[in-house]
Amino acid sequence: SQKIEQNSEALNIQEGKTATLTCNYTNYSPAYLQWYRQDPGRGPVFLLLIRENEKEKRKERLKVTFDTTLKQSLFHITASQPADSATYLCALSNFGNEKLTFGTGTRLTIIP
Amino acid sequence: KAGVTQTPRYLIKTRGQQVTLSCSPISGHRSVSWYQQTPGQGLQFLFEYFSETQRNKGNFPGRFSGRQFSNSRSEMNVSTLELGDSALYLCASGRGGQETQYFGPGTRLLVL
Repeated sequence: SQKIEQNSEALNIQEGKTATLTCNYTNYSPAYLQWYRQDPGRGPVFLLLIRENEKEKRKERLKVTFDTTLKQSLFHITASQPADSATYLCALSNFGNEKLTFGTGTRLTIIP
Repeated sequence: KAGVTQTPRYLIKTRGQQVTLSCSPISGHRSVSWYQQTPGQGLQFLFEYFSETQRNKGNFPGRFSGRQFSNSRSEMNVSTLELGDSALYLCASGRGGQETQYFGPGTRLLVL
């Protein structure tokens, strides 16, 4: 069955450093991989989407890489700030399919 | 543009009862998806509706059902509630062709 693992349940990073989160998947050939941010008691908020034929995507301090051979995505937050503290979720989907399969999430804490 | 709205935000029910949750998507979005989020299982896909038709379905029992109206608003119904149905129920809308989902704040359901 499809499995998506985010290999750190919790991650503590010093303010100003780069936070790197990992998403690994098996038994899946996604067309798209997305990253969402979720704050306690709120719904996930879309951050970035990367397609299977893209290697890297950037948005301000965020960078996502996608390696379909390794079946892995890395999510980087550079110059991290305490406001970046949240749970980050990766999600996979296929062409024209609104169904998202989510990973287990990584709770990121940026320490001042 | 107003975001996805969900009502009610909080709900307490007892075992055996049924519940109906409501979701209003972003204006212009025709796809509405429902997810269940629990600490143990994470975010799990329930079903997706597009133009009043169920297009995708997750692995949940038949007690979970939904529908979509002509104005794209959607309702989700859970019959014969069980303690394990206690969760945050999230609704997400999309344009139905694009893959990014926009989530509402969720309805927190507690079954006693």
